[in-house]
Amino acid sequence: DAGVIQSPRHEVTEMGQEVTLRCKPISGHDYLFWYRQTMMRGLELLIYFNNNVPIDDSGMPEDRFSAKMPNASFSTLKIQPSEPRDSAVYFCASSLRPQTVNTEAFFGQGTRLTVV
Amino acid sequence: RKEVEQDPGPFNVPEGATVAFNCTYSNSASQSFFWYRQDCRKEPKLLMSVYSSGNEDGRFTAQLNRASQYISLLIRDSKLSDSATYLCVVNPSNYGGSQGNLIFGKGTKLSVKP
Repeated sequence: DAGVIQSPRHEVTEMGQEVTLRCKPISGHDYLFWYRQTMMRGLELLIYFNNNVPIDDSGMPEDRFSAKMPNASFSTLKIQPSEPRDSAVYFCASSLRPQTVNTEAFFGQGTRLTVV
Repeated sequence: RKEVEQDPGPFNVPEGATVAFNCTYSNSASQSFFWYRQDCRKEPKLLMSVYSSGNEDGRFTAQLNRASQYISLLIRDSKLSDSATYLCVVNPSNYGGSQGNLIFGKGTKLSVKP
């Protein structure tokens, strides 16, 4: 398996534009997570899905952010409109089971977003 | 109090040194604990789970103290390749009803010098 695949790897966009980040989880993993990482706040969970259903979106910063998982092999995180403070590295991760002992979350390589 | 707190470092140590990282968590109901490693400009990767009785994996030893809500990671005989940021990670489990969540500390940066 190629692991968790994210695209694009880098995105530079102008303030106000729509940004869509994409993720393909590891096949067979029931859990998918979207995280955002900044120097100031570290890694923050934005939302996670179980069997394609959003379970906890309390970390989504505001209505400008939305996430979907139309099927088991694809998820998107959309920011509309984007703002400079959204600049961060966005990670997608997947796991086979809930995060208990002996369960590993596998991360994609991340999308580095810069909003100018 | 933040949910997971770590000393950001950096810890600068010579090769062969023993170094210890500490982490505290705020939710006493937390059930699962991990250490992840993140190399510069890379994604986090699981280093080891932390068991209640403590556990060892080669040069790495993890300890959990539930009474003090404290987790530690000890690295013996440090190598240049150990240079990375070490993230303390907690699953608050039933807290707020989220079963699959992971709460990450901001990480402790380790730099091992020749």
